[in-house]
Amino acid sequence: DAGVIQSPRHEVTEMGQEVTLRCKPISGHDYLFWYRQTMMRGLELLIYFNNNVPIDDSGMPEDRFSAKMPNASFSTLKIQPSEPRDSAVYFCATDSTGWGYTFGSGTRLTVV
Amino acid sequence: QKEVEQNSGPLSVPEGAIASLNCTYSDRGSQSFFWYRQYSGKSPELIMFIYSNGDKEDGRFTAQLNKASQYVSLLIRDSQPSDSATYLCAVAAIQGAQKLVFGQGTRLTINP
Repeated sequence: DAGVIQSPRHEVTEMGQEVTLRCKPISGHDYLFWYRQTMMRGLELLIYFNNNVPIDDSGMPEDRFSAKMPNASFSTLKIQPSEPRDSAVYFCATDSTGWGYTFGSGTRLTVV
Repeated sequence: QKEVEQNSGPLSVPEGAIASLNCTYSDRGSQSFFWYRQYSGKSPELIMFIYSNGDKEDGRFTAQLNKASQYVSLLIRDSQPSDSATYLCAVAAIQGAQKLVFGQGTRLTINP
């Protein structure tokens, strides 16, 4: 199994532009999570899905953020418009048992 | 008060010694506890989890849980330079629950 696959690995964009981050979960893992990591705030849960259905999006910072999971093998996190304070590493993680996540390699987002 | 608190470090330990990492949590109803290791520039990887009071050993790693004191720790015996990383404590409200709350992490350095 290739693990959780995220793309792109690095993204540099200008303020105001739309950014789309992608995640391919491990097959059979029915939970998918989006986290954001910064030095100041650590790892923050943004949203998570169960069987493609959003369960808790209380961590999404504002309406500029949206996430979708159209099928079991793909999820996106979109920021529109992006702002410099959105600069962070965004991780996708998946789980099936409840006994610990498998993280993707992350997307380092820089908004200038 | 943060939900999960860790000393940010850095914690410096000589090679071969025991490294002790500590974590406290605020939700007395928490049931599952996890330790992740994160190398610089990499994604977190699960080391071990614990949900019963007492000790749980896995190789050189021992997790200790005291629910009455709302305290969980990780001991690393015979520390190696390759153990140098940031260690993240994570807590879930119920056993097998998927939603984890992470601490800020403790940066550990093992000195040869």
